[in-house]
Amino acid sequence: DQQVKQNSPSLSVQEGRISILNCDYTNSMFDYFLWYKKYPAEGPTFLISISSIKDKNEDGRFTVFLNKSAKHLSLHIVPSQPGDSAVYFCAASATGSQGNLIFGKGTKLSVKP
Amino acid sequence: NAGVMQNPRHLVRRRGQEARLRCSPMKGHSHVYWYRQLPEEGLKFMVYLQKENIIDESGMPKERFSAEFPKEGPSILRIQQVVRGDSAAYFCASSLDRATSYEQYFGPGTRLTVT
Repeated sequence: DQQVKQNSPSLSVQEGRISILNCDYTNSMFDYFLWYKKYPAEGPTFLISISSIKDKNEDGRFTVFLNKSAKHLSLHIVPSQPGDSAVYFCAASATGSQGNLIFGKGTKLSVKP
Repeated sequence: NAGVMQNPRHLVRRRGQEARLRCSPMKGHSHVYWYRQLPEEGLKFMVYLQKENIIDESGMPKERFSAEFPKEGPSILRIQQVVRGDSAAYFCASSLDRATSYEQYFGPGTRLTVT
């Protein structure tokens, strides 16, 4: 049973446009959410996070939105750049299970010049 | 390089052999996590260790797998009598302490191939 779901395996976007990556979760005990970026043959790199007490967090071109009632979060990248092409993983952490990050299967983003 | 170090980067073992994967956390970090990624899957939590202590091993298979993080030296993930299904990428991550356990920094991974 997947607690964190990324339903789009891939996404293709034109350079300069907005990329929107989506993530749904089922566990209401999750209180911290993270996005990681991963290039082939490398480990995941932390991108941005959000606590469940917030609904938005912004860092440069990256913004994460959290909708707790819908158990949904999204990552917006504006403007998208070719270097953003990678696999993006959504992850969540639950109260009482610190250290145990639950990952989605990832979305492969391709940004075309 | 102050990042998380893992070695070897690639490891090939025949069925029945033992695999030892090593992880050195970031400088100053005393908490280590191991994850496994199967092809086309997300990362799956295996174990969370502090020096000389296992904090959470809820993701570890019951048999053949063990992990340690000694007082001195790297953390070791040990797989005994490997089978083909153990072929995967194994990632180690570290955090400063338990309070920041959600801020995990990952190493480059060890790709284990069982032939």
